Amino acid sequence: EVQLVESGGGLVQPGGSLRLSCEASGSSFRNYAMHWLRQAPGKGLEYISGISSDGTITYYANSVKGRFTISRDNSMDTLYLQMTSVRVDDVAVYYCARGDSAWLLYSTFDYWGRGTLVAVSS
Amino acid sequence: DIQLTQSPSSLSASVGDTVTITCRASQDISNYVAWYQHRPGEPPKVLIYAAYTLQSGAPSRFSGGGARTHFTLTISRLQTEDVATYYCQHYNGGPPFAFGPGTKVEI
Repeated sequence: EVQLVESGGGLVQPGGSLRLSCEASGSSFRNYAMHWLRQAPGKGLEYISGISSDGTITYYANSVKGRFTISRDNSMDTLYLQMTSVRVDDVAVYYCARGDSAWLLYSTFDYWGRGTLVAVSS
Repeated sequence: DIQLTQSPSSLSASVGDTVTITCRASQDISNYVAWYQHRPGEPPKVLIYAAYTLQSGAPSRFSGGGARTHFTLTISRLQTEDVATYYCQHYNGGPPFAFGPGTKVEI
């Protein structure tokens, strides 16, 4: 059974930085694209970033472009999201999810972690 | 970017009822729609992909339909464990992969 476990969330000051991690088990992590999505309080799901299986192709939503960086370590079965210049509107539960192929095209999300909460306050 | 709308935004039904949720896309997305169930405190779970294909392990009382710009998710024989928010997602091409605003189902 595929399991994804996020960590690294917490309280950060506006303008601060945080690194989220997502550790995968039970699957061939290196064969699948991975993604980050978030859900702000009282809001719906928002897709924010994706990375191809080999790490060569990345995508960022406009809301996080230039501030967040997605990366992966296939030797450690771990996905990362480096968050910088964090803003109040970044408050959300952040989910990592596995794509259903190696690429970012035509992707659904077949496994999700339980999420990690990022709070922003001075 | 493609936008998705859902209706209704919420509904209340009884155990055993059949309910239908609609998702509309701002442009033709062929059949590249997935439906997710998001129960409180749990991660989202994909139920349907390619508009009408049931995800392995999803209960058969869930069914999808539609194409191009109009899609539906139908829950037959509603159960208490179906209380959740349901989202449609398009995946026609590359990201961004937009989600609809969600439909909250209550009993």
